[in-house]
Amino acid sequence: DSGVTQTPKHLITATGQRVTLRCSPRSGDLSVYWYQQSLDQGLQFLIQYYNGEERAKGNILERFSAQQFPDLHSELNLSSLELGDSALYFCASSVGGVRGGETQYFGPGTRLLVL
Amino acid sequence: GIQVEQSPPDLILQEGANSTLRCNFSDSVNNLQWFHQNPWGQLINLFYIPSGTKQNGRLSATTVATERYSLLYISSSQTTDSGVYFCAVRAGGTSYGKLTFGQGTILTVHP
Repeated sequence: DSGVTQTPKHLITATGQRVTLRCSPRSGDLSVYWYQQSLDQGLQFLIQYYNGEERAKGNILERFSAQQFPDLHSELNLSSLELGDSALYFCASSVGGVRGGETQYFGPGTRLLVL
Repeated sequence: GIQVEQSPPDLILQEGANSTLRCNFSDSVNNLQWFHQNPWGQLINLFYIPSGTKQNGRLSATTVATERYSLLYISSSQTTDSGVYFCAVRAGGTSYGKLTFGQGTILTVHP
């Protein structure tokens, strides 16, 4: 158990819908990262938040948005869903993540299926 | 951006065999992690190893940062070692924590 929690574990929805994925980082970690794992693209970084502020953006679509709340949990919002958004979405956390290298701990993931 | 290449892409072993997985990266790094993704999809941290050598039970890893590669050794493999092994790096000189993943090595251990 990494200490990072994600809900829900599974999500089935229809094209055009909107969903929210939730992540709670390990106690004391200030950075939260979101990654997407799909069959064709592999594991890709989406976005990073540090202590409530967006710090880095990767290959995140405009239909996707995220935020980190004062209690440090984060939500990833996916809207106007398409079949190609079906993937495993991981949240990770680390103590800092602004400077230097440090371990990122990954949650169990949310498996999204868009029908 | 930084490129990460893992080899071999697939590996089939009999239980008890040893194996070496390789990760090459194209630029200097300040973070390198090895993960095991089990059949249920969970990503399990194996090592944080931007340089040097570490051991944890039957697993060990070595990163030679100056030559831009890392090796993961699995000894006396067990069926529970099956899954996908990922190497992920964070490019040195960047201020933010993005990890770039390789494509993974699919390991199958037969009893």
